[in-house]
Amino acid sequence: AQRVTQPEKLLSVFKGAPVELKCNYSYSGSPELFWYVQYSRQRLQLLLRHISRESIKGFTADLNKGETSFHLKKPFAQEEDSAMYYCALSDRGSTLGRLYFGRGTQLTVWP
Amino acid sequence: GAGVSQSPSNKVTEKGKDVELRCDPISGHTALYWYRQSLGQGLEFLIYFQGNSAPDKSGLPSDRFSAERTGGSVSTLTIQRTQQEDSAVYLCASSFRRTNTGELFFGEGSRLTVL
Repeated sequence: AQRVTQPEKLLSVFKGAPVELKCNYSYSGSPELFWYVQYSRQRLQLLLRHISRESIKGFTADLNKGETSFHLKKPFAQEEDSAMYYCALSDRGSTLGRLYFGRGTQLTVWP
Repeated sequence: GAGVSQSPSNKVTEKGKDVELRCDPISGHTALYWYRQSLGQGLEFLIYFQGNSAPDKSGLPSDRFSAERTGGSVSTLTIQRTQQEDSAVYLCASSFRRTNTGELFFGEGSRLTVL
């Protein structure tokens, strides 16, 4: 079974502080990991995917297969980063194309 | 339209009534998904369509829930004999391909409140 765990429901940091949103997964196949973000009153949208190895809005995430983790990091948080963040997993080899989401972490960045 | 469109945006109904939620995906997207977002529960997968067929219905919570998709486009999620625990935001998403590149495009959701 596929499982995505985000251990923190709520996370608060001050502006300029580093932030790390944790994501652990359980999957025996070939996973593909993503972070989705939902800003207040906006649609859920893709933030980044591990396969692209990209940095979006200063965020990065490294897939650690040994620790089965895909933590989202940003060295200097900004107030506009306040949002709900979801980690998601899909089976790259699957024909079903379904994404498994974690329960989400609500990030608040205080001024 | 430019994005995934869902209607109604808000629905308040009485326990026991049936409701229909509609999703209009991005033109050309062959894959369509329904998720349910409940407070503190994250995103719960309901059903997935590839074209008009639903290869994965495993997330439908009970036989009161059903969904269909016609013409490879619009989808309707129907909840019969609604219960209070059905209250949630129902999200629809679409993507271009069956094999998942990971980018689902979500609608704004339909907020269902069952009194």
